Amino acid sequence: GQQLNQSPQSMFIQEGEDVSMNCTSSSIFNTWLWYKQDPGEGPVLLIALYKAGELTSNGRLTAQFGITRKDSFLNISASIPSDVGIYFCAGRVSGTYKYIFGTGTRLKVLA
Amino acid sequence: GAVVSQHPSWVICKSGTSVKIECRSLDFQATTMFWYRQFPKQSLMLMATSNEGSKATYEQGVEKDKFLINHASLTLSTLTVTSAHPEDSSFYICSARIGGQGNEKLFFGSGTQLSVL
Repeated sequence: GQQLNQSPQSMFIQEGEDVSMNCTSSSIFNTWLWYKQDPGEGPVLLIALYKAGELTSNGRLTAQFGITRKDSFLNISASIPSDVGIYFCAGRVSGTYKYIFGTGTRLKVLA
Repeated sequence: GAVVSQHPSWVICKSGTSVKIECRSLDFQATTMFWYRQFPKQSLMLMATSNEGSKATYEQGVEKDKFLINHASLTLSTLTVTSAHPEDSSFYICSARIGGQGNEKLFFGSGTQLSVL
């Protein structure tokens, strides 16, 4: 079945550093959603992307819809301790309303 | 953003009993809701698509008689885990779809931790 691979799987960074992560697939997706999940909670929507090449920001977060429509990227600038959590990408399966989730990137910020 | 309420947040039950989880869209109507399952330190796995007024669509490998889904109104979907067993213990999360092509989003409930003894 379709899979979304996220990279890196986990990362430790210093407070104030910028963070980059990506989500790749062998399949084409029509919509990309990026989420952050804290332990024991549901995912919280960060950014939504709808067109190939689209670049969208939400505060310190910036995400891009890859030109090939098979990947997406999320950047976090000037990280702070509350950025700790797991970040997931989700892609909408072509021809459906279903979304499948990436494998996740676990972010840990060192103060 | 839109608010999705999920209840209960956690439940402990005996093996063989059934558990019902509710998912409500509080400030919008949702013709489509989704149920996901998540094991510790893993990603979310789509179980089924819940469609208002019609039968749910289950993903491959998900037993429809085991996980009963009802979407009786535009703001409520329920997942019933029937005859629960310890292997059903997991974190169950619902989401509701809002918007259309070009602006749709998925908002999630806070999840339900199910522990089957």
